[in-house]
Amino acid sequence: KAGVTQTPRYLIKTRGQQVTLSCSPISGHRSVSWYQQTPGQGLQFLFEYFSETQRNKGNFPGRFSGRQFSNSRSEMNVSTLELGDSALYLCASSLGTGGYTNEKLFFGSGTQLSVL
Amino acid sequence: ELKVEQNPLFLSMQEGKNYTIYCNYSTTSDRLYWYRQDPGKSLESLFVLLSNGAVKQEGRLMASLDTKARLSTLHITAAVHDLSATYFCAVDISPFTGGTSYGKLTFGQGTILTVHP
Repeated sequence: KAGVTQTPRYLIKTRGQQVTLSCSPISGHRSVSWYQQTPGQGLQFLFEYFSETQRNKGNFPGRFSGRQFSNSRSEMNVSTLELGDSALYLCASSLGTGGYTNEKLFFGSGTQLSVL
Repeated sequence: ELKVEQNPLFLSMQEGKNYTIYCNYSTTSDRLYWYRQDPGKSLESLFVLLSNGAVKQEGRLMASLDTKARLSTLHITAAVHDLSATYFCAVDISPFTGGTSYGKLTFGQGTILTVHP
């Protein structure tokens, strides 16, 4: 069974540009969550999608957005990049059903974004 | 706001020794995860603890959960170099928020473990 796939693995952008990251969940998983990991702030939740609907959002500015497609693949977009957006962006997938919607999260390898 | 605190944040161990990493959290939850992360790599799930008193063991690692004390521990027995990594605990409170925390885990800061020969 293929794992969670994130592309690209590395990205270098300049301030003011925008970027789109992609995440393909494990087959059959309908929930995709996104996290930002930085040395200073650690792992922080960005948002979660289930069946093309955003169910939850973390405390990030509106420059961070996402979407999910009917095949459960998800993209996140960051507009008007700032230096502080440099981070490892991780997506995680799960079945997304039940009282505990996380069950077990499976993480992808991440996209390392560097903003110059 | 849920806070999750790990200690120690840095742990340097000799091979063969035992040690414990602690994870305290600030609000009601009965689901806690432990993850391992190697440098430049993703998060690998180690344990899912689902109820008060839960204990899980895998190899040299054993995790437990005390929901009354809001404390989880990750015990390392007879450490070996291959265990060198960063270990995170993460708490799920989604059922206690009326479903408004879907997909969200709150992570501790991580414990960087280095095992020396």
